[in-house]
Amino acid sequence: SQTIHQWPATLVQPVGSPLSLECTVEGTSNPNLYWYRQAAGRGLQLLFYSVGIGQISSEVPQNLSASRPQDRQFILSSKKLLLSDSGFYLCAWSFSQGYEQYFGPGTRLTVT
Amino acid sequence: TQLLEQSPQFLSIQEGENLTVYCNSSSVFSSLQWYRQEPGEGPVLLVTVVTGGEVKKLKRLTFQFGDARKDSSLHITAAQPGDTGLYLCAGISGEGKIIFGKGTRLHILP
Repeated sequence: SQTIHQWPATLVQPVGSPLSLECTVEGTSNPNLYWYRQAAGRGLQLLFYSVGIGQISSEVPQNLSASRPQDRQFILSSKKLLLSDSGFYLCAWSFSQGYEQYFGPGTRLTVT
Repeated sequence: TQLLEQSPQFLSIQEGENLTVYCNSSSVFSSLQWYRQEPGEGPVLLVTVVTGGEVKKLKRLTFQFGDARKDSSLHITAAQPGDTGLYLCAGISGEGKIIFGKGTRLHILP
């Protein structure tokens, strides 16, 4: 069976500091991978998705970037965090585009 | 732009009552998913419906996909405190893109 991991679970960072959130998937090959941000326990905002190694599509221009250095590893980064980057970050995977997505446990980021 | 509207946004009911929440759109979807999310955790997939008019049951939860594949409902019978959470619907468009609703926050009072 497939599992998805995210770390860290929680993070408190000062404004202007860098960020690196990691997501890994086990039990499947060449998954589609996604990064979402969720504000105030409500809807999901798609930030990035990837259909393969080194292939990243950005949905919303912002202070963040994503990379996929390995087939089942997806990283969300920032060089300098803003207060507005605070939120709950979720990674998800799917077998392919057009299939249901499976989510990781999330990372709560607080920028102070 | 395809949108999924979920209603109500918030619902608080007593344990043992029945409830229905809705997910509506003016667009057709090839499939639709329902997720439940608890505070501080990722959404968990409950069901996928694919065929217009399809009904799926998961214990006390009944999911229905509209005949025209534009809307869906989730009915919970005899709600329990463990049903508390944020219920998200998500539709997959003909182009393969997934669109999420903003969710219904359900609170079951013991």
